[in-house]
Amino acid sequence: VLTQSPATLSLSPGEGATLSCRAGQSVINYLAWYQHIPGQPPRLLIYDASKRAAGIPARFSGRGSGTDFTLSISSLEPEDFAVYYCQQRLNWPWTFGQGTKVEIK
Amino acid sequence: EVQLVQSGAEVKKPGESLKISCKTSGYKFSDYWIGWVRQLPGKGLEWMGIIYPGDSDTRYRPSVRGQVTISADKSTSTAFLQWSSLKASDNGMYYCARQRQIGASNSWYDVDGFALWGQGTMVIVSS
Repeated sequence: VLTQSPATLSLSPGEGATLSCRAGQSVINYLAWYQHIPGQPPRLLIYDASKRAAGIPARFSGRGSGTDFTLSISSLEPEDFAVYYCQQRLNWPWTFGQGTKVEIK
Repeated sequence: EVQLVQSGAEVKKPGESLKISCKTSGYKFSDYWIGWVRQLPGKGLEWMGIIYPGDSDTRYRPSVRGQVTISADKSTSTAFLQWSSLKASDNGMYYCARQRQIGASNSWYDVDGFALWGQGTMVIVSS
């Protein structure tokens, strides 16, 4: 089970964001982060805990291993307001966390 | 350019069958895992299953095994998700997605992320 916190983050453009994902048991570093904007398909941001996917801006960064992971956004742009999901791939079925909504304050 | 183009929205009645598609182009279809993700109304994302078109190796989420069938047609580079008998609880948005890049092996274990996505297919099941 992946537990994300907080459920909602209310921030202003330009502020930094820190999102947490905690696994019930170690997933080593087999964790990805996806961004989901309503009406669009999900977008892969980070894979293997800390590797940025192609085309993802440097303001997105991931860290962590084992059971505790973090997605950081250094300075929020208007297009970053979305729901963010972590997802483990160590065990089948792959599972997503319940999501963190980053909303405009 | 790699593209995944899904079939259009569907409106069905409970008990009807349905097959939605994900037509791919711009890469060698047989070499990359394809996955299906659903988002039920008001809920988060959920993996339904994945398929490796090269040998049709398929894995299903336990809760959907027997309820859906995932398949792939190498001749048309198209993946499919089908139901034999829809339920109201199948209402939702369904996405197909392609593995980020070829892994060290063909195993699902080496799939590190899905970077290419279809636009989604809305499925409405209502009497």
